[in-house]
Amino acid sequence: QSLLTQPPSASGTPGQRVTISCSGSTSNIGSNYVYWYQQFPGTAPKLLIYRNNQRPPGVPDRFSGSKSGTSASLAISGLRSEDEADYYCSAWDDSLRGQVFGGGSRLTVL
Amino acid sequence: QVQLVESGGGVVQPGRSLRLSCAASGFTFSTYAINWVRQAPGKGLEWVARISNDGTNIYYADSVKGRFTISRDNSRNTLYLQMNSLRLEDTAIYYCARDNMGFDYWGQGALVTVSS
Repeated sequence: QSLLTQPPSASGTPGQRVTISCSGSTSNIGSNYVYWYQQFPGTAPKLLIYRNNQRPPGVPDRFSGSKSGTSASLAISGLRSEDEADYYCSAWDDSLRGQVFGGGSRLTVL
Repeated sequence: QVQLVESGGGVVQPGRSLRLSCAASGFTFSTYAINWVRQAPGKGLEWVARISNDGTNIYYADSVKGRFTISRDNSRNTLYLQMNSLRLEDTAIYYCARDNMGFDYWGQGALVTVSS
């Protein structure tokens, strides 16, 4: 059972805006940065959002991150079929002294 | 360009050992912390271990503490993961990932299968 809780699935139609939530605690999200990763089947994860809301070079501005208290969210606007993938949130946990990941959310574009 | 290439995966019996390597290129290896992250078949990501750029600070997930050892050789631009007392539940793809405001570069992964 992950310390960061994500919905197992999310879906939307092309062009829609979809959000994926990530719920943690004071020892992880509440006191550290949140990161989001995108993973396609059979490939390594890719960093999508760093430090809560920053996009690495090359990541479209359709992807955005936010954090409030012990929760975070990933928003994808203008949904495209190629966004269909698994999404993971992650944060450092001060109590465990380790990085923790959410269980992952599979995004389906209908 | 930044590259991380894992090697050393394979099939091993429970209780035996295996050592993974991660060869880095395209960046100054000695200036970055590196992590191991694993993914069991059909499951999510699980962080395994982290080593600082100079090897002085090391952290492990509780699930591998006391069995796995992360190390690095900055002269060879290589990261290692020594895995002892392997269990069935250690079966996974093991990725090395550079730590730079998030895990910004990942290797392609090495499959470790623990099976009798």
